[in-house]
Amino acid sequence: SQTIHQWPATLVQPVGSPLSLECTVEGTSNPNLYWYRQAAGRGLQLLFYSVGIGQISSEVPQNLSASRPQDRQFILSSKKLLLSDSGFYLCAWRELSLVRAELFFGEGSRLTVL
Amino acid sequence: AQTVTQSQPEMSVQEAETVTLSCTYDTSESDYYLFWYKQPPSRQMILVIRQEAYKQQNATENRFSVNFQKAAKSFSLKISDSQLGDAAMYFCAYRTDFNKFYFGSGTKLNVKP
Repeated sequence: SQTIHQWPATLVQPVGSPLSLECTVEGTSNPNLYWYRQAAGRGLQLLFYSVGIGQISSEVPQNLSASRPQDRQFILSSKKLLLSDSGFYLCAWRELSLVRAELFFGEGSRLTVL
Repeated sequence: AQTVTQSQPEMSVQEAETVTLSCTYDTSESDYYLFWYKQPPSRQMILVIRQEAYKQQNATENRFSVNFQKAAKSFSLKISDSQLGDAAMYFCAYRTDFNKFYFGSGTKLNVKP
């Protein structure tokens, strides 16, 4: 069966420090991968989308970047965090299938920038 | 980007009663998918139900059903026989032709015993 893992679960970082959140999917190949941010009490904002290794689509210009160094690995990074980067980050994947159309989500990473 | 609107930030329902959550979306595509996701306090996103736009029949999953009105671009979720475990944030989502998913701002559902 397919699983998705995301870490770290909680992160507290000072302003100006770097960030690296990692996500891996197991049990499938060539998935579509996604990073979302959920601000407090808000909906999910699509940040990045990837259809394959090295292929990243950015939805919103911002202080963050994403990379996909391996087929089932998706990394969210920042060189210098801002206060506004605080939030709950969710990684998600979608199987390339005509049957399963939905997204499956990781457990999320709560980032607090102080 | 497509927009998904949930106009009810918060709703309450009595246990065993029925509640309907509203969602509208804006698109120029003819074929797409719509979803309702549930996010309990654990923050884990759980798929509740999905609807394919080309299917006229409304989707149902046990106590959960949708009212899909394609012309009106409306996609509401009905929860019957509400249970305490249904208390959560509910998000409406739209999947584009390019496999991007856009979410509404969510509706917090409270279930009163």
